[in-house]
Amino acid sequence: DQQVKQNSPSLSVQEGRISILNCDYTNSMFDYFLWYKKYPAEGPTFLISISSIKDKNEDGRFTVFLNKSAKHLSLHIVPSQPGDSAVYFCAASDTGTYKYIFGTGTRLKVLA
Amino acid sequence: GAGVSQTPSNKVTEKGKYVELRCDPISGHTALYWYRQSLGQGPEFLIYFQGTGAADDSGLPNDRFFAVRPEGSVSTLKIQRTERGDSAVYLCASSPHTTGGGKNIQYFGAGTRLSVL
Repeated sequence: DQQVKQNSPSLSVQEGRISILNCDYTNSMFDYFLWYKKYPAEGPTFLISISSIKDKNEDGRFTVFLNKSAKHLSLHIVPSQPGDSAVYFCAASDTGTYKYIFGTGTRLKVLA
Repeated sequence: GAGVSQTPSNKVTEKGKYVELRCDPISGHTALYWYRQSLGQGPEFLIYFQGTGAADDSGLPNDRFFAVRPEGSVSTLKIQRTERGDSAVYLCASSPHTTGGGKNIQYFGAGTRLSVL
């Protein structure tokens, strides 16, 4: 049973436009959410996170939105750059545990 | 080093053999995690160490898998009698805190790609 789902395996966006990556979860106990970026042959790199007490967190070109009632979060990248091309993983955890539950990832390709 | 270091980066072995995968966490990080990533999937939790002890090994798939962290720093993941289904990228992560949630950003190594022939 997939508790964290990324239903779009891939996404292509023109340079300078907005990239929107989506993530859904089923476990209402999750209270902390993260996005990781992964380049080939490298480990996942932390990008941005959000606590369930917030509905938005922004860091430069990256913004994460959380809709708790819909159990949905999204990552917005504005403006998108070719260097953003990577696989993006959504992850969730609850305060009482230490492990992250990851989605299957979305491969973003930003076209120059 | 500044980041989490994993060795070897690639390991090819034959079915039935024993393998050891090493993880050197970020200096000062007390928490260490092992994940496994199969093709087309996200990382899946295997085991978590708090200091020297395994605080949660609920993700280990069976008793062929074992991990140690004897001095609270370097960890070794050991797989006995390897099977073709064990082929995956094994990722190690560390974090500075042992609490969950917001203070628990995990920093990952590049992984060891294990291929069982």
